[in-house]
Amino acid sequence: DAKTTQPTSMDCAEGRAANLPCNHSTISGNEYVYWYRQIHSQGPQYIIHGLKNNETNEMASLIITEDRKSSTLILPHATLRDTAVYYCIVMSGRYGGSQGNLIFGKGTKLSVKP
Amino acid sequence: DVKVTQSSRYLVKRTGEKVFLECVQDMDHENMFWYRQDPGLGLRLIYFSYDVKMKEKGDIPEGYSVSREKKERFSLILESASTNQTSMYLCASSFMSRGNTEAFFGQGTRLTVV
Repeated sequence: DAKTTQPTSMDCAEGRAANLPCNHSTISGNEYVYWYRQIHSQGPQYIIHGLKNNETNEMASLIITEDRKSSTLILPHATLRDTAVYYCIVMSGRYGGSQGNLIFGKGTKLSVKP
Repeated sequence: DVKVTQSSRYLVKRTGEKVFLECVQDMDHENMFWYRQDPGLGLRLIYFSYDVKMKEKGDIPEGYSVSREKKERFSLILESASTNQTSMYLCASSFMSRGNTEAFFGQGTRLTVV
């Protein structure tokens, strides 16, 4: 079972910031928070990940609460091309083996509207 | 550009046929994964491999097998295809390292079993 809870869907106006929440109240100390997105008919695409500090890259920012039980992905200026399903995943730092596989939940369907 | 390439985008097979889905990555990744994606069920892990000739079952391995004879290639085999294996199949690869890495996905193979 996925270890995260996300809203099923969200809308965002084009040009505005999209804030996608994720709850991961059972996260353990060695688990990272990863975000992926899947645009229709394509494979998932990595966005960003973090352990406890906030992170930013050219695509998005990730804000993790101090207790690490929740996080928010921020797309600062959403465009129509950001319409996708966004997945929040917690995983230990090591890929592979029983501890390190990406387990996808249902994600949040983000619709960016003109 | 890093690449995970799946041999077919669309495939139609008959019930009972043996089906091979091929995946090749050019990033020298240790880990490779096979998922299937179905409406309402999200992405589910079928098998993964963390080294040549090594394989581990994911959440739904029944009816599937895999082969990893070379590091860059991971094959998913449907021994006797059935209609309930009609799905989108996604391959992914990643480095096996602590924390700072991401998984790359192929474009997917939409398999229809008739």
